[in-house]
Amino acid sequence: QVQLHESGPGLVKSSETLSLTCTVSGDSLNSHYWNWIRQPPGKGLEWIGQIYVSGTTKYKPSLDSRLTLSLDSSRKQLSLKLISVDTSDTATFYCAGSNRALVNGAFDVWGLGANVTVSS
Amino acid sequence: QSALTQPASVSGSPGQSVTISCSGSSNDIGRFDLVSWYQQHPGKPPKLIIFEVTKRPSGVSGRFAGSKSGNTASLTISGLQAEDEAEYYCCTFAGYTDFFVFGPGTKVTVL
Repeated sequence: QVQLHESGPGLVKSSETLSLTCTVSGDSLNSHYWNWIRQPPGKGLEWIGQIYVSGTTKYKPSLDSRLTLSLDSSRKQLSLKLISVDTSDTATFYCAGSNRALVNGAFDVWGLGANVTVSS
Repeated sequence: QSALTQPASVSGSPGQSVTISCSGSSNDIGRFDLVSWYQQHPGKPPKLIIFEVTKRPSGVSGRFAGSKSGNTASLTISGLQAEDEAEYYCCTFAGYTDFFVFGPGTKVTVL
């Protein structure tokens, strides 16, 4: 069974770069499309991007200029980098997978989330 | 950019049924059969309960049922239980520009 674990600094200064890692265990990276979804405190979910093992990426249009997703197959790690952050980027960031064989267009496995605060 | 609407809250007594609507447009819900629903308890990550409009992942109770009519998807929870009290989010694939869009969420309260 796939398990996801997000990690990274909990505090980032405004205008700097937010970097997070998601470690995948229990399955190969080939089995899923990998997504990042964020949730500001007390608010709803926002899909921000997707990456596949081939390296193909899709980004939310409003974040396209600031967001980079990558992966390291040997380490089974996904990475997120968001540049030029401001306080509106404060959120819990989730790594979520879409099993290519089981679900279409849905996120069937989630990490526990990483809380990130952007300070001004 | 696509936007989905959900009621802010719904409530019901134990044993009753509640239905949550998720309204979109002909460019997202109306175009693709890729609506999913997530249950989120406070402080926990979301959990997939419905995908591809009507399908339930293994292990999800049969009390949860999804449907779609035109540009609106719905989630019905039957035989409401205390553990169903949570936030529920709809999500749809919205094409190869917006990709995935979530609704704002609906708080379900068990009276």
